Amino acid sequence: EVQLVESGGGLVQPGGSLRLSCAASGFTFSSYSMNWVRQAPGKGLEWVSYISSSSSTIYYADSVKGRFTISRDNAKNSLYLQMNSLRDEDTAVYYCARDDSSGYYGYWGQGTLVTVSS
Amino acid sequence: QSALTQPASVSGSPGQSITISCTGTSSDVGGYNYVSWYQQHPGKAPKLMIYEVSNRPSGVPDRFSGSKSGNTASLTISGLQAEDEADYYCSSYTSSSTLVVFGGGTKLTVL
Repeated sequence: EVQLVESGGGLVQPGGSLRLSCAASGFTFSSYSMNWVRQAPGKGLEWVSYISSSSSTIYYADSVKGRFTISRDNAKNSLYLQMNSLRDEDTAVYYCARDDSSGYYGYWGQGTLVTVSS
Repeated sequence: QSALTQPASVSGSPGQSITISCTGTSSDVGGYNYVSWYQQHPGKAPKLMIYEVSNRPSGVPDRFSGSKSGNTASLTISGLQAEDEADYYCSSYTSSSTLVVFGGGTKLTVL
């Protein structure tokens, strides 16, 4: 059974940093590209970042470019999102999602809540 | 403002059919057959319902179908059931640096 489990969310002050993790199991993690998608409270989905299976290709949404860094450790079956210079508008539930091909996500984690507030 | 435009809400009675539209541009919906649809119940993670415009993942009822014409994609749910009440999001691959864009979401109410 495919499982994606996010962790690392919490309350952080504006300007602060946080590192999210996503532990994958039930599939060959190293064969799949992965993504982070977020959802602000009461709002819609927003794609955040993409990383290819070998980490050779990375993309970011304009809203997080220069502040967030996506990475992965295929030996540990884990995906990460380092978030720096956090802003109020980064408050959201962050989901990791498996990229099954051409931008569709067949599996999602349960999400981890990041709250940026003073 | 979301990159793809969806109606904020739709409603229908049990057994009826509804259609949710998703309008983009030639840089996303119109340019690629990479439109997906997701269902999200309150407090839950999104679930893939349709991929590559009209394909259903294993386990998704055939009451759910997708199509596309020009820059507009559509999700049709036939034989509405109470459990279909949820938020629905479309998404598309895009040629912009964003890579993937989502619609603003449509709240489906089963009357």
